[in-house]
Amino acid sequence: ETGVTQTPRHLVMGMTNKKSLKCEQHLGHNAMYWYKQSAKKPLELMFVYNFKEQTENNSVPSRFSPECPNSSHLFLHLHTLQPEDSALYLCASSQDPAGAGETQYFGPGTRLLVL
Amino acid sequence: GESVGLHLPTLSVQEGDNSIINCAYSNSASDYFIWYKQESGKGPQFIIDIRSNMDKRQGQRVTVLLNKTVKHLSLQIAATQPGDSAVYFCAENRPDTGRRALTFGSGTRLQVQP
Repeated sequence: ETGVTQTPRHLVMGMTNKKSLKCEQHLGHNAMYWYKQSAKKPLELMFVYNFKEQTENNSVPSRFSPECPNSSHLFLHLHTLQPEDSALYLCASSQDPAGAGETQYFGPGTRLLVL
Repeated sequence: GESVGLHLPTLSVQEGDNSIINCAYSNSASDYFIWYKQESGKGPQFIIDIRSNMDKRQGQRVTVLLNKTVKHLSLQIAATQPGDSAVYFCAENRPDTGRRALTFGSGTRLQVQP
């Protein structure tokens, strides 16, 4: 285990539902990330948080809303998603933001299916 | 598009052979590189990293080589085992972009034949 946990591991939701993904890191890191992984595509960075502050939003649609209440927890709130949002959502953490050349440690991901 | 890419989408090797997975990058400002392994149903796992002031770094059964002249990165796995079957990603840190996150390649699937 990498010290980064994600729940739920699998999620099926309708387009009108509201759900949240949770990530927790037990590594004492200061930076946390959300990535989207679709089939046959590179990992797509969505959001970066450093010391609870959002430092990067990679042009993500507003139907994805992140929340970082402290350096150990990160949420991704989902509402009115589209079927093309179905993917594996990965959370990662690093000691400091990768701008300093830091290794990121990933959680197992949440497999999301939007019907 | 992504500056980090992989030459081969799938690599098939015999158990016990050595594996070499390649990665090309296009930006000379990239200063830090990581190889990740992702098994089915799991998140990417850190394997080994290298900074741009180095040419080679060795771990347990793995070696990363960095050729800055041709902007090429490779991962060598010695005595490949069935448990090495996975998708391997390279990632780079690009301080020139101001992005505070790594840039990932699309991955190479390694299949180990018994």
